[in-house]
Amino acid sequence: NAGVTQTPKFQVLKTGQSMTLQCAQDMNHEYMSWYRQDPGMGLRLIHYSVGAGITDQGEVPNGYNVSRSTTEDFPLRLLSAAPSQTSVYFCATLDRSSYEQYFGPGTRLTVT
Amino acid sequence: AQSVTQPDIHITVSEGASLELRCNYSYGATPYLFWYVQSPGQGLQLLLKYFSGDTLVQGIKGFEAEFKRSQSSFNLRKPSVHWSDAAEYFCAVVLSGGYNKLIFGAGTRLAVHP
Repeated sequence: NAGVTQTPKFQVLKTGQSMTLQCAQDMNHEYMSWYRQDPGMGLRLIHYSVGAGITDQGEVPNGYNVSRSTTEDFPLRLLSAAPSQTSVYFCATLDRSSYEQYFGPGTRLTVT
Repeated sequence: AQSVTQPDIHITVSEGASLELRCNYSYGATPYLFWYVQSPGQGLQLLLKYFSGDTLVQGIKGFEAEFKRSQSSFNLRKPSVHWSDAAEYFCAVVLSGGYNKLIFGAGTRLAVHP
């Protein structure tokens, strides 16, 4: 089992560029989430999904889009990158039986 | 507003010393409580969790935490710290039924001196 995988590991964007952060899981968990981690702020929820075809906003959704066409994949899209989106992004799944979240290794994004 | 506070940004302890990391939350009801650890350059790993019942919970790597409702606290402890415990520790809560909407504290970075 690979668990939760994220690609790319590192990315540098120019302001205004778009990109998609990929997240895939092989644990068959319905619930998936995207967080961003910034120094001194812990992790903040961007978007989450409770199953294929269902997504909702978290604490800091502005500037990000998500979709969930399959159970396995939950991509995060930046339509027009801004320096304020420089951060480390984590994808996570939730085991509903234990309430335990499983985190991917993260994507470090820099927007110049 | 719902919040999680970790008052200590950095803590340094000597190897073999005891450790306590503080966590306070502000919610009307008792939330589900978690402690996660993040080693440098890594994702987060669950150390332990509290949902209900015995207020002292045991986790992995020799960690334990005690829920104190009267103080709205969920402090993490370890009796003897090892150099490999150097990492960042996050307290997190989720409201019952909030499923994967974890609310994290800002984190406490632990350094261990030999």
